[in-house]
Amino acid sequence: SQTIHQWPATLVQPVGSPLSLECTVEGTSNPNLYWYRQAAGRGLQLLFYSVGIGQISSEVPQNLSASRPQDRQFILSSKKLLLSDSGFYLCAWSPPPRLAATYEQYFGPGTRLTVT
Amino acid sequence: AQSVTQPDIHITVSEGASLELRCNYSYGATPYLFWYVQSPGQGLQLLLKYFSGDTLVQGIKGFEAEFKRSQSSFNLRKPSVHWSDAAEYFCAVGDEYGNKLVFGAGTILRVKS
Repeated sequence: SQTIHQWPATLVQPVGSPLSLECTVEGTSNPNLYWYRQAAGRGLQLLFYSVGIGQISSEVPQNLSASRPQDRQFILSSKKLLLSDSGFYLCAWSPPPRLAATYEQYFGPGTRLTVT
Repeated sequence: AQSVTQPDIHITVSEGASLELRCNYSYGATPYLFWYVQSPGQGLQLLLKYFSGDTLVQGIKGFEAEFKRSQSSFNLRKPSVHWSDAAEYFCAVGDEYGNKLVFGAGTILRVKS
């Protein structure tokens, strides 16, 4: 069966510091991968998605970036964090559209980021 | 572009009472529709999905949802709510390329004893 991991689970970082959040998926190949953010009291905001290694689509302009160095690894980064980057970050995967009929996404446990 | 509206931000029901969470979507073709649940501090869990066929779909934890094309709705229902159902519920619609989901803003369910 497939599993998705995120780490760290919680993170407290000062403003201006760098960020690296990692997401890995096991038990599947060529998944679509996604990064979402939930700010307090808000819904899910899609930040990035990837349909393959090195292929990143950005949904919202910001000071965050994403990379996919391996098929089942997705990394969210920032060079300098802002206070507004605080939130709950969720990684998700879905089977590639050519293999799936219904496009559901499966979510990881999330990372709580607090920028101080 | 697709969009999803969940009109109720908060809903409170008594334990044992029935539940209906509303979801309206905007999409030109036959939509792929989903309901997810999120407990505080956790990731999202898929409750159920609709993509074709029977318009009444069954999911996990005793939930069901009915797709009504004429009303552009996909409401989530449960006949008898348990205290453990207290969580936030998200409705989502898939885009035509199968690469993205568009989520509603969520409905927070509170269960009173």
